[in-house]
Amino acid sequence: DSGVTQTPKHLITATGQRVTLRCSPRSGDLSVYWYQQSLDQGLQFLIQYYNGEERAKGNILERFSAQQFPDLHSELNLSSLELGDSALYFCASSVTPSSQGGEQYFGPGTRLTVT
Amino acid sequence: KNQVEQSPQSLIILEGKNCTLQCNYTVSPFSNLRWYKQDTGRGPVSLTIMTFSENTKSNGRYTATLDADTKQSSLHITASQLSDSASYICVVISSGSARQLTFGSGTQLTVLP
Repeated sequence: DSGVTQTPKHLITATGQRVTLRCSPRSGDLSVYWYQQSLDQGLQFLIQYYNGEERAKGNILERFSAQQFPDLHSELNLSSLELGDSALYFCASSVTPSSQGGEQYFGPGTRLTVT
Repeated sequence: KNQVEQSPQSLIILEGKNCTLQCNYTVSPFSNLRWYKQDTGRGPVSLTIMTFSENTKSNGRYTATLDADTKQSSLHITASQLSDSASYICVVISSGSARQLTFGSGTQLTVLP
């Protein structure tokens, strides 16, 4: 158990809908990262937050957005869902940013299925 | 463009044998390089983190090497076990304003009894 929690574990929704994925980082960790992993694909970095502020952006679509709240939990919002958005979405957290050597701890993931 | 390439794409070995996985990168400016192990359907777990000045780092039966000049890293697994069957992912983190994380596509290792 990494100490990072993600909810829900599974989510099934229809195309065009909007969903929110939630992540609670390990106690004391200030950085939160979001990743997408499609079937048989590698991990794609989406976005990073550090202490409430956006720190780095990866291949995140404009239909996706995220935020980190004062209690440091984070939410990833996916809108106008398409079939291709079906994937595992992982959250990770670290005390310090990865660019400064911060060790990332991954959550169990949320499996999103768009039908 | 920052890229991380891993080879081989997949590997099958017998239990007890050793193996080496490769990672080549073109990430700049370089901050650090990590190897992760990911079991199917689960989140990755960190094996090693290597900075520019480190050439070798071990974690039990896992030994990672880094050649910053040639921009190559390897992960050597000794005396493989069935539980080593997983995807091994190389990740390179760049410093500077971008602070990007670039992931390799992974090497799928299968250890057979």
